Amino acid sequence: DIQMTQSPSSLSASVGARVSITCRASQSITSYLNWYQQKPGKVPKLLIYGASNLQSGVPSRFSGSGSGTDFTLTVSGLQPEDFATYYCQQGYSAPFTFGPGTRVDIK
Amino acid sequence: QVQLQQSGPGLVKPSQTLSLTCAISGDSVSSNSAAWNWIRQSPSRGLQWLGRTYYRSKWYNDYAVSVKSRITISPDTSKNHFSLQLNSVTPEDTAVYYCARGNSLYSSSSNVYYYGMDVWGQGTAVTVSS
Repeated sequence: DIQMTQSPSSLSASVGARVSITCRASQSITSYLNWYQQKPGKVPKLLIYGASNLQSGVPSRFSGSGSGTDFTLTVSGLQPEDFATYYCQQGYSAPFTFGPGTRVDIK
Repeated sequence: QVQLQQSGPGLVKPSQTLSLTCAISGDSVSSNSAAWNWIRQSPSRGLQWLGRTYYRSKWYNDYAVSVKSRITISPDTSKNHFSLQLNSVTPEDTAVYYCARGNSLYSSSSNVYYYGMDVWGQGTAVTVSS
C-alpha cells in the first residue's frame, strides 16, 4: 500500500493569512493526488484533483502543486469558512489511501 | 445533480454483519466512468478507504487488504444502489461510514483523467457493541 503523510498535523492562522500544507507519498504517484476539506460534523469535500486542478465551484484561493512524492496545498487569503481539516489522498492505485489530516484553526 | 443516500443500522453486535446501502440518484451504478466506494472514518484510524465496485463491460471490485477477508461491496442495478457488507465485526469497526462516487476527472492542462471522490453520502455512524 502507498502510505501518505502530512505536515503539519495542525496549524493556527489568522484570517487573510497564506497557509501551506504538505503531503508526501511513500512512492511516486506522479500527479494522482487529491485534496479534501472536512468541517466538523460534515462530509469531506473534494477541493483539488490531479495535484493542481481545482474542482468545480472551489474558490481560486485554493491551489495545489507537486508531483512524484511531494505535494502542497496552499490557501492564499484564509477566510473564516476555510477553518477545517484538510486531507490528501492518492488516486494512483487501489487502495486509495488518505493522509492523516491537517487541522487549520483560527489564531 | 448526483446524490448518494445512505441507509442501514447504526448499531451492530460484535461478530455480526454490518450492512449498509447507498442509493444513487443522478447517475448509474453501471456507469462506465464512475466507481462506487465505501470509506470509513474513526478517531483512531482517520479516513480509511475500504473498497469499490465498478462496471467496465463487466463488474470489478477492489478491497483494502485490512478488510479483504470480511468485506463485500455489491451493486444492485435494478435499484441503482450499491451495498457494503462487513462480516465478523468487532468494536474496532466502530466508525462513520461513507459511500462516495469515484469519478474520472479531466485535466485540460495535462489532458489526463484523474480519479477522485467527488460526491459523498451523508455518512452513517455505526457502533459495534453488545
